[in-house]
Order: sequence, then C-alpha cells, then structure tokens
Amino acid sequence: KAGVTQTPRYLIKTRGQQVTLSCSPISGHRSVSWYQQTPGQGLQFLFEYFSETQRNKGNFPGRFSGRQFSNSRSEMNVSTLELGDSALYLCASRQNTEAFFGQGTRLTVV
Amino acid sequence: GENVGLHLPTLSVQEGDNSIINCAYSNSASDYFIWYKQESGKGPQFIIDIRSNMDKRQGQRVTVLLNKTVKHLSLQIAATQPGDSAVYFCAENHDYGGATNKLIFGTGTLLAVQP
Repeated sequence: KAGVTQTPRYLIKTRGQQVTLSCSPISGHRSVSWYQQTPGQGLQFLFEYFSETQRNKGNFPGRFSGRQFSNSRSEMNVSTLELGDSALYLCASRQNTEAFFGQGTRLTVV
Repeated sequence: GENVGLHLPTLSVQEGDNSIINCAYSNSASDYFIWYKQESGKGPQFIIDIRSNMDKRQGQRVTVLLNKTVKHLSLQIAATQPGDSAVYFCAENHDYGGATNKLIFGTGTLLAVQP
C-alpha cells in the first residue's frame, strides 16, 4: 500500500508569490491534515479536511487555505508569500486513529 | 491554552543503554497520545500510542507511560541502537476515535546515540 505522497518535495518562491502544495493520502483514508514545521515554532496544525469539508482550522492567517477533492487528495495554498512562510509543510492522512505523515514539501521563500 | 512540551531538548545515550524521553501536556481533556520519530529529511513516523484509559503500553523495544495525575508522558526505548537517533515528538489529540485529526505536538527531543 503506497504511503502519503506530497509534491513537490522542494520549492523556492519569492516574496509576494503564491504557492500550491499537493498531498495524496493513503488509499481509503478520507481525513487529511496539514502541518507547518519550523525550527522556531515546531509542528503546528494548519487545517483538516474530511470528505471535502474543512472541519478544523489552526491559528494561521487567511493567506493559508486548502481544499480536498472527491478522491481525498488535498491541496493547500499560500498566497502573498512572506519570508516567515519558509518551512516544511507536512500532510497526514488518517483512517481510524493513527495518522500517517508524508515526507513533506520544503518551501523556501526568498 | 493547549500546550504539549518536552523537558529535555537533547538526550545523548550510549548504544545498548535504555533511553527515556519525557513530555508534559497541559490539556486534561486530551484522551489520546502518540509518539512520533522524525529522521532528517523525513516526515514523522508513528512509534506508539496510548489512550487516556491506560497508563502503560508496550511495543517492540518501546514502552509509553502515561501519568494523568501530573499530565506526564514518557517514551522508553530499550537497548538503544544507532538507528534510533532522531527527533522524537509527543503529540496529543482530544477527540480519540472521533471527528478530528488535529494533533498538538510537543517541541521535540533530539536523541543522539553514541556508538
């Protein structure tokens, strides 16, 4: 069974641009969550989607958004990028209780 | 507010010794706890979990202990190996088996195994 797949693995963007990251959950998993990981703030919850609906959201500005498709694949978007958005963005999928993480997308904003 | 923190940011142990990584949490409503291992360049990997109605759970070479009285969680790794070197995170969820997948993570402990 394939694991959680995140694309791209690495990304470099300039300030003011927008970016879209993709996450394909484990087959059969309907819940997808996104996390931001930085050295200063650690792992922080961004949002969670289940059956195409956002059912939980963390304390991030409105520049961070996401969506989920009918096949459970999810995307997150960050608009008007800031230098502080540089981070590892992780996606996790869940079927029951255990959450499985992808390898993440390393975003660098210059 | 919600907070899950770690007492020791770095732990150095000798190969073959036992390791103990500690974690404190502040949300008494949390009912599910997980330990993750994160190696460089990889996403967090599930190690072991425990529900709040338990105080101990064992896996292969790992044991998680939960003390709800003092809101403390620990991960014990027996016979630590070089491959155990990684950052370890505790995480909490206060909706076990329910509708949310939201995890609150601790700050992480770097485990360095000396050969």
